[in-house]
Amino acid sequence: QQQVKQSPQSLIVQKGGIPIINCAYENTAFDYFPWYQQFPGKGPALLIAIRPDVSEKKEGRFTISFNKSAKQFSLHIMDSQPGDSATYFCAASRRDDKIIFGKGTRLHILP
Amino acid sequence: DTAVSQTPKYLVTQMGNDKSIKCEQNLGHDTMYWYKQDSKKFLKIMFSYNNKELIINETVPNRFSPKSPDKAHLNLHINSLELGDSAVYFCASSLRGSGANVLTFGAGSRLTVL
Repeated sequence: QQQVKQSPQSLIVQKGGIPIINCAYENTAFDYFPWYQQFPGKGPALLIAIRPDVSEKKEGRFTISFNKSAKQFSLHIMDSQPGDSATYFCAASRRDDKIIFGKGTRLHILP
Repeated sequence: DTAVSQTPKYLVTQMGNDKSIKCEQNLGHDTMYWYKQDSKKFLKIMFSYNNKELIINETVPNRFSPKSPDKAHLNLHINSLELGDSAVYFCASSLRGSGANVLTFGAGSRLTVL
């Protein structure tokens, strides 16, 4: 019940395309759903996050879509660029409890 | 100024040796963590300290011993290193009670056990 399932494991998209990464959770007590972005040789960094009381959140080219009834959420990257190539982690937590991370998606944007 | 800094960045050592990784944060956070990232990029929490008190201790061999001298520092000591300990170890910090558990990670310490 503590798992966050993330797919796909890896994704290759042409520049300008819209990569979509999906995550699913079981624990309905989770109330915070962040996405972290990790570039090679760096630590993960918070990219965007959403709470379950909204269905969508946009920050620049990054959008989270949230479906509370299906217990699923996804990250969309509009007009993707080669500089977006990184590993993306979805996560979930409840207040100050530990964050549960998905297994990550390696995204490669072709120039 | 680096928010969460870890040293060393790279560590190459022989099996059976003992090594330490140090972490310091200057964000004023009260909670610090150690995560292990393996070759498949899985991020696994190992330990968490809040105001120097251990609050999370996942199933980690007791060869791993964290120490938090104060809330700005969290060190990781590893005894009798094994090949399977090779990984990147990330330190992170957060502020409890802020309503959202936002982690700030260090750049990682890559440990290679030969």
